[in-house]
Amino acid sequence: GESVGLHLPTLSVQEGDNSIINCAYSNSASDYFIWYKQESGKGPQFIIDIRSNMDKRQGQRVTVLLNKTVKHLSLQIAATQPGDSAVYFCAELGAGGTSYGKLTFGQGTILTVHP
Amino acid sequence: GAGVSQSPSNKVTEKGKDVELRCDPISGHTALYWYRQSLGQGLEFLIYFQGNSAPDKSGLPSDRFSAERTGGSVSTLTIQRTQQEDSAVYLCASGQAGHWEQYFGPGTRLTVT
Repeated sequence: GESVGLHLPTLSVQEGDNSIINCAYSNSASDYFIWYKQESGKGPQFIIDIRSNMDKRQGQRVTVLLNKTVKHLSLQIAATQPGDSAVYFCAELGAGGTSYGKLTFGQGTILTVHP
Repeated sequence: GAGVSQSPSNKVTEKGKDVELRCDPISGHTALYWYRQSLGQGLEFLIYFQGNSAPDKSGLPSDRFSAERTGGSVSTLTIQRTQQEDSAVYLCASGQAGHWEQYFGPGTRLTVT
């Protein structure tokens, strides 16, 4: 069946370091892959997305890389700050048919940033 | 502007009772989604409303779960005869027609004792 999963459930970094969060997916038909950040007691917040015809996209302090050959997605956070501490989810947007519009989420990685 | 709101924020109920969880989407958003998030897990899709179309109920785990969306706006997720395994955070999201982005509410934490 379709699934999106994460390699590392937890990641601890020092403030100022760069963080890399990884995700593996199994459904190649998706049009978009998205990263969400979820802080304690809040709903997921959109960070950045990447369309399936791209391999890299940059935002403010974040970069998403997509490797379709090995079905791997990563989120890079530059100069990580304590405010970046949260759970990060990758998600895949259903491409069509009964999957259209539905997000399939990975399990999540807990990022802890130490000052 | 106002985001997605959900109520209550926390709900504790006894096993076997029925519960109703409410979602107020962003005004003008035609798409509405319900997800369930168990402790330490990702989000599990439950149901999807899009405009006046028949809802996609493919994610509902059992017939104890149902959802309505009245007037194309507010939605209610109902869980009948709650079980302990229903304990989770229930998240609602809304989106605009033709756009994939989903905006999430803060969730309702349901605890079944």
